Amino acid sequence: QQQVKQSPQSLIVQKGGISIINCAYENTAFDYFPWYQQFPGKGPALLIAIRPDVSEKKEGRFTISFNKSAKQFSLHIMDSQPGDSATYFCAASSYKLIFGSGTRLLVRP
Amino acid sequence: EAGVVQSPRYKIIEKKQPVAFWCNPISGHNTLYWYLQNLGQGPELLIRYENEEAVDDSQLPKDRFSAERLKGVDSTLKIQPAELGDSAVYLCASSLSLGMNTGELFFGEGSRLTVL
Repeated sequence: QQQVKQSPQSLIVQKGGISIINCAYENTAFDYFPWYQQFPGKGPALLIAIRPDVSEKKEGRFTISFNKSAKQFSLHIMDSQPGDSATYFCAASSYKLIFGSGTRLLVRP
Repeated sequence: EAGVVQSPRYKIIEKKQPVAFWCNPISGHNTLYWYLQNLGQGPELLIRYENEEAVDDSQLPKDRFSAERLKGVDSTLKIQPAELGDSAVYLCASSLSLGMNTGELFFGEGSRLTVL
């Protein structure tokens, strides 16, 4: 019940395309849903986060869509750029942050 | 402002040897975390400190792992003795205390351990 399931494991997108990463959770006590971005050799860094009282949050090219009834949330990266190539982790928290298994995104020039 | 500082960045040891990792959090951050990240996986919490108190160490394998944050600032994570399966990246993170709800975590670059 504490797991956060993330898909796909890897994703290849052409420059300018839309990258979509999905996550699902079971624990209805989760009330904070961040996405972290990690480059090789670096620690994860917060990209964008949402709380369950809203269905969507947008920051620049990054958007979180949240479906409380389905217990799913997703990250959309619009106009994907080669510099977006990284591993993305969804996470969920009530009192402890639980991470998904990650999606390795490659954006081809 | 300096970020979370970890050392060493890389460590290679023989199995059964001890190893220690050090973390200095962002100034003013009362909450400190140690996470384990296996290759191709998400970080998994080992221990969380609020000041000098370990408030969640349920996932720390206490037979061989220990941690301390004596003055509520920097922290050390120790493994003794190390096993082959301990090869991973050990991430330290810090955040402002937000009670029961976690806010943004700031991660260090990690300490990559290889056990031979």
